[in-house]
Amino acid sequence: AQSVTQPDIHITVSEGASLELRCNYSYGATPYLFWYVQSPGQGLQLLLKYFSGDTLVQGIKGFEAEFKRSQSSFNLRKPSVHWSDAAEYFCAVALGSGTYKYIFGTGTRLKVLA
Amino acid sequence: DARVTQTPRHKVTEMGQEVTMRCQPILGHNTVFWYRQTMMQGLELLAYFRNRAPLDDSGMPKDRFSAEMPDATLATLKIQPSEPRDSAVYFCASGLGWAGQETQYFGPGTRLLVL
Repeated sequence: AQSVTQPDIHITVSEGASLELRCNYSYGATPYLFWYVQSPGQGLQLLLKYFSGDTLVQGIKGFEAEFKRSQSSFNLRKPSVHWSDAAEYFCAVALGSGTYKYIFGTGTRLKVLA
Repeated sequence: DARVTQTPRHKVTEMGQEVTMRCQPILGHNTVFWYRQTMMQGLELLAYFRNRAPLDDSGMPKDRFSAEMPDATLATLKIQPSEPRDSAVYFCASGLGWAGQETQYFGPGTRLLVL
């Protein structure tokens, strides 16, 4: 069955430190991949998405993600975290073109220490 | 700055009562999603509309939930009768583009508590 796994429920980093949030998916074909961020009390906002082409994708707010087919991963990275990045991050997969079946991971809550 | 709006933002009701949640998608978007978010289950897709037509509502309990789009500017999600296990945050999202590639724009959610 198709699935999305975010192995880290909580991550704490110091402001200015680098960040990597993990996402693994299980799907037979190449999926369409997304990262969303949710601030407290808010809806989700798209950070970036990958459909094809260059496996390193740039997003908003200084985030990037790299698609690694061999590892079935789509990890989110940021070189220097800001206090305002504290939020919950969701990885999502769309099961192919023409489908509306999006599967969201369970989320990783990021805490940033001043 | 176009946004998805949802009303009400908060709702407290008693078990057995009808609950109606409303969503105004972004003008021009052709897809609408309804999601439910809970601590235990995470984000679950309840229903999906494309060009106002319901394409999938398999994620909803059929006996008590219903979703409609009476026009392009309004989507509704109804629960009748409500139960305590329906307590959750309900999100509406709208999108534009090819299915599977659309960016979903989420509303702020309706936080529902059923006593």
